[in-house]
Amino acid sequence: QKEVEQDPGPLSVPEGAIVSLNCTYSNSAFQYFMWYRQYSRKGPELLMYTYSSGNKEDGRFTAQVDKSSKYISLFIRDSQPSDSATYLCAMSAGNTGKLIFGQGTTLQVKP
Amino acid sequence: SAVISQKPSRDICQRGTSLTIQCQVDSQVTMMFWYRQQPGQSLTLIATANQGSEATYESGFVIDKFPISRPNLTFSTLTVSNMSPEDSSIYLCSVETGEKVYEQYFGPGTRLTVT
Repeated sequence: QKEVEQDPGPLSVPEGAIVSLNCTYSNSAFQYFMWYRQYSRKGPELLMYTYSSGNKEDGRFTAQVDKSSKYISLFIRDSQPSDSATYLCAMSAGNTGKLIFGQGTTLQVKP
Repeated sequence: SAVISQKPSRDICQRGTSLTIQCQVDSQVTMMFWYRQQPGQSLTLIATANQGSEATYESGFVIDKFPISRPNLTFSTLTVSNMSPEDSSIYLCSVETGEKVYEQYFGPGTRLTVT
């Protein structure tokens, strides 16, 4: 079993839809939870960063962490075609800087 | 944040040869990392490049295959040695600026194809 599981999709939604992206994990030591966005042929770009449990909002993006369920989510409101990319969750136990990534979910937002 | 550049951006190499990938950061950073992203796979950490000391390798990666240099706080190289087609992948460097713990910034990647 992988430490971090993420449905690779692809996920296709119409413009304006609410998108929900999710990851599950098995290592209870993870304390830091990140979401990266990766456009085709580009490096990953940090979107959201959350420490421990709870919610964090940044514009159209909301990150949720449920440590009791070992489940994290990224919600995108009013999705735009420019949101079309691969979204990777990443996690860290917090003592080495080592990030464990999910496989990434490919999202397409259709105009 | 940090601006990271990598050279080359892509290359096609013959099996048995070696390729050195460069990573340059626009500011001094404490931590630099090298990742591999195989087609359809997640990013996998190869090693942490330590300034002034040997790199720290993850399980499954060895120095003889992936030698790393970190001569200063803004530059690192990763060499992929004695390449085989299985080494075809995207290689990315990332840095941790220290502004926020475990907030890493990635370079654009080097797309390597081994024939």
